[in-house]
Amino acid sequence: DVVLTQTPPTLSATIGQSVSISCRSSQSLLHSNGNTYLHWLLQRPGQSPQLLIYSVSRLESGVPNRFSGSGSGTDFTLKISGVEAEDLGVYYCVQGTHAPYTFGAGTKLELK
Amino acid sequence: AVQLVESGGGLVQPKESLKISCAASGFTFSNAAMYWVRQAPGKGLEWVARIRTKPNNYATYYADSVKGRFTISRDDSKSMVYLQMDNLKTEDTAMYYCTAGEFAYWGQGTLVTVSS
Repeated sequence: DVVLTQTPPTLSATIGQSVSISCRSSQSLLHSNGNTYLHWLLQRPGQSPQLLIYSVSRLESGVPNRFSGSGSGTDFTLKISGVEAEDLGVYYCVQGTHAPYTFGAGTKLELK
Repeated sequence: AVQLVESGGGLVQPKESLKISCAASGFTFSNAAMYWVRQAPGKGLEWVARIRTKPNNYATYYADSVKGRFTISRDDSKSMVYLQMDNLKTEDTAMYYCTAGEFAYWGQGTLVTVSS
């Protein structure tokens, strides 16, 4: 199975600070159809997860553009340009290229 | 608006069975692959199962941890997806989420507790 390694496990930030989360895959997430199915989710405390970024870098509708995704192959990054209070929670990467789908362990974003 | 509503969770004993359901609305259900994802208390997300659409022969896929014990199914006429869980173990205790649209849409979850 594909293992997704997220770093750091915990991130402390001040409001307005820019932060990045890394997601590294144990194998390439480039599908034979040319797409890369690596997505980013945010789970706020007590809520269901919410899709932020799909297919590496595509912003989900309604998601603020301070969120951005980049990467290819096995290395991917989620960047938040100017953290806001509503961004606090746990961020997960998830891959849908190889069955079974797998999630990263999560990165908890806290206020410093 | 897209809505996914899970139901059927509860407390069961080890080795028992339980079937949970998810009612979908607000999108063309028959065109969407459907998934179940779970989250044990205080833990991260774990993908459980996926079912594809009729043109893809309703192909199903499972996490190794549930393969042979869980069965995902769907009823396109009712816009419902199900998860039949047999031979439940204590480690299956979790909130079970129904999700669609390659994780774009999520329900509120239904809690399954396996305990003697």
